[in-house]
Amino acid sequence: EAQVTQNPRYLITVTGKKLTVTCSQNMNHEYMSWYRQDPGLGLRQIYYSMNVEVTDKGDVPEGYKVSRKEKRNFPLILESPSPNQTSLYFCASSYRDSTDTQYFGPGTRLTVL
Amino acid sequence: GENVEQHPSTLSVQEGDSAVIKCTYSDSASNYFPWYKQELGKGSQLIIDIRSNVGEKKDQRIAVTLNKTAKHFSLHITETQPEDSAVYFCAAHFRRALTFGSGTRLQVQP
Repeated sequence: EAQVTQNPRYLITVTGKKLTVTCSQNMNHEYMSWYRQDPGLGLRQIYYSMNVEVTDKGDVPEGYKVSRKEKRNFPLILESPSPNQTSLYFCASSYRDSTDTQYFGPGTRLTVL
Repeated sequence: GENVEQHPSTLSVQEGDSAVIKCTYSDSASNYFPWYKQELGKGSQLIIDIRSNVGEKKDQRIAVTLNKTAKHFSLHITETQPEDSAVYFCAAHFRRALTFGSGTRLQVQP
């Protein structure tokens, strides 16, 4: 089954404790991205990747890091989480670029205390 | 960068009625406008999209219209059903990324 998976689905952590949210797709897609969703603000892009080893900042990259060492995986790293990073996070992938259909993962709800 | 505004933020309709959601964008260079549906607890799914060389596109009960001059596009859902209840996001493509609107929560009352 073609899908985008994210782990964990729910996470409660404390300020400053490094964490990684994993994202994996099995569709051999080149384009992957991370979004955060907050009430009244919609989906805002954090980072995106056009292919392996090619990443770029989205609209809200501060406090986040990403890597794309393999085509299928695109982890999101919060090296020192803060309460303002409490949000619902979505990973998405598409065949080639952002004008292709985006396939979204199920989301990760993160709470930073 | 691109800015997308979406209205209304909530919309309640009776089953069988039509629903219209409107979005405006700021950058005239934007060339691709998808609409995504997000059901509770799930990731978003593409329901329809339109490119800047087309004024209207229809897929069964769903249609999207684009007015490039006014820089706005709209989603039209006819004969709404309870399973249409969800959050809908519009988006505009500019350079290498999509910019999303703030979402519309549609509630279809049986």
